[in-house]
Amino acid sequence: DAGVTQSPTHLIKTRGQQVTLRCSPKSGHDTVSWYQQALGQGPQFIFQYYEEEERQRGNFPDRFSGHQFPNYSSELNVNALLLGDSALYLCASSLESFTDTQYFGPGTRLTVL
Amino acid sequence: DAKTTQPNSMESNEEEPVHLPCNHSTISGTDYIHWYRQLPSQGPEYVIHGLTSNVNNRMASLAIAEDRKSSTLILHRATLRDAAVYYCILRDGDDKIIFGKGTRLHILP
Repeated sequence: DAGVTQSPTHLIKTRGQQVTLRCSPKSGHDTVSWYQQALGQGPQFIFQYYEEEERQRGNFPDRFSGHQFPNYSSELNVNALLLGDSALYLCASSLESFTDTQYFGPGTRLTVL
Repeated sequence: DAKTTQPNSMESNEEEPVHLPCNHSTISGTDYIHWYRQLPSQGPEYVIHGLTSNVNNRMASLAIAEDRKSSTLILHRATLRDAAVYYCILRDGDDKIIFGKGTRLHILP
């Protein structure tokens, strides 16, 4: 049973560009959450998708958007990249139940030059 | 969201027990206490969670104070592979996880 997978592993972009990151949840999971982790910090919640809808959102600007597909996979899009967007982007999947654990992928390392 | 306080770092010797403390004095009655850890170059990994009673699983034990204002994650026999950042988190029914800075655990061989 594959766990949460993310692609690409690493990505380098320049300021002003747009980026799309992808996530496939653990088999059987229907909820996907995205987190941003700056160097030396804990992960920060960006948003969560369930039933193809954004259900919760953290304190991130509208430049950050997402999508969930019928197969529960998800994309994170970031427009107009800033240097400060350089971080590890983590995807986590879970079942639609707060007592369930979230399973994290290995992340995508985004570097903005 | 209720906040937690953890030491920035701790050290322990290999094959000895490790007690990682967490203070959460503003915990509400519906907050569950969750612990995650993040090994180097990996995403966070669930360790354990509980509400009021102490909990055990194959990875660790969670001891919760009677007033629930603090808890302790116990690794019974630390190995070098347990070196990680350990996050103590309160979750009140929201699916999102609010991470703090956690405790960086160093294991000495």
